[in-house]
Amino acid sequence: AQSVTQLDSHVSVSEGTPVLLRCNYSSSYSPSLFWYVQHPNKGLQLLLKYTSAATLVKGINGFEAEFKKSETSFHLTKPSAHMSDAAEYFCVVSVWTLGVNQFYFGTGTSLTVIP
Amino acid sequence: DGGITQSPKYLFRKEGQNVTLSCEQNLNHDAMYWYRQDPGQGLRLIYYSQIVNDFQKGDIAEGYSVSREKKESFPLTVTSAQKNPTAFYLCASSPMGHRGEVSDTQYFGPGTRLTVL
Repeated sequence: AQSVTQLDSHVSVSEGTPVLLRCNYSSSYSPSLFWYVQHPNKGLQLLLKYTSAATLVKGINGFEAEFKKSETSFHLTKPSAHMSDAAEYFCVVSVWTLGVNQFYFGTGTSLTVIP
Repeated sequence: DGGITQSPKYLFRKEGQNVTLSCEQNLNHDAMYWYRQDPGQGLRLIYYSQIVNDFQKGDIAEGYSVSREKKESFPLTVTSAQKNPTAFYLCASSPMGHRGEVSDTQYFGPGTRLTVL
């Protein structure tokens, strides 16, 4: 069975400090892993994607994520938060089964950036 | 300017009325998806389509219907049978991968917020 757990529903950081958004997954197969960002009343924008190449994945806007198979984790980080990073972040697992890509979404982490 | 468009951005309907949400893409993507998003929850799959004139039910298809008459269009109808239709609806699409399978990456439209009064 596949599932995605985002360990924090809300994270608050001060502007200029590091961001850590945590994601754990379970999958019976080799998954593809994604982080998406959603600003209020907007669609989801792809931040980055892992597909079994390098375990450290760099995305847009200075975000990166590290795939750790032993910990079944795919945490999202950024060295220095910016006010524009305030948004909802979703961790997503994609698994190819029965000829279809199945997508599993975490429940989201709301990031607040304090000036 | 390529992308996925959803219209309208905000939609209000009276209880008991059917309503159709539009999703159009000019990315030449083969697969299209409809999701529903409720506060504090992840996205839940309503319907998806990998090719024209074919679509499959997702996890919460009851009370919804779709059609895929054209590659670029995948409209969603929220019927009166849907018991709690007020939500944010997101459409997504995926291209075909280099091996002929649907890509594992989805691209999302801006969403339609439906409120049933």
